[in-house]
Amino acid sequence: GENVEQHPSTLSVQEGDSAVIKCTYSDSASNYFPWYKQELGKRPQLIIDIRSNVGEKKDQRIAVTLNKTAKHFSLHITETQPEDSAVYFCAASKGTYKYIFGTGTRLKVLA
Amino acid sequence: NAGVTQTPKFQVLKTGQSMTLQCAQDMNHNSMYWYRQDPGMGLRLIYYSASEGTTDKGEVPNGYNVSRLNKREFSLRLESAAPSQTSVYFCASSVETQYFGPGTRLLVL
Repeated sequence: GENVEQHPSTLSVQEGDSAVIKCTYSDSASNYFPWYKQELGKRPQLIIDIRSNVGEKKDQRIAVTLNKTAKHFSLHITETQPEDSAVYFCAASKGTYKYIFGTGTRLKVLA
Repeated sequence: NAGVTQTPKFQVLKTGQSMTLQCAQDMNHNSMYWYRQDPGMGLRLIYYSASEGTTDKGEVPNGYNVSRLNKREFSLRLESAAPSQTSVYFCASSVETQYFGPGTRLLVL
């Protein structure tokens, strides 16, 4: 069935370093890939998304890359700050309404 | 523009009791969803509604029912609550990007 694998499950980085989270999807028809950040006790919030006709998208310190051939996409956070500490979820969608979510990555930024 | 709202914020039930979780959105989205999130875990889809008048089962529908009351509102009902249904419940709505409500924390004793 449809599946999204997300790695790593936990990630600790020093403040100022970069963090990379990777997701692999199984359904080649997927064409929309959002990333959500969920702080403790809060709702998931969209931080960046990418569509299959684009290879890379950047928003300040956050970027997402997509490799359609390999069916994987990655979230890159540069110059990490303590407020980046959260759980990050990737998802894949076929442009309809239903998402397949990854299992989440707990990012800790150490001061 | 309130986005997606959910009531109640927190609820304690005894085993066997019933309750309805309410969700409303003011973004004119066609699609709405109910997820549950257990501690330290990911999001699991319970039910979704692609458009007004339609509902479909997600990954974990057992023990739940839903009603898409109109385009704005999508409710989730637990007919006979069980301790295994202790969780945080999120409602979401979308055209393409899903936007989440603040969640309902449910404790079943």
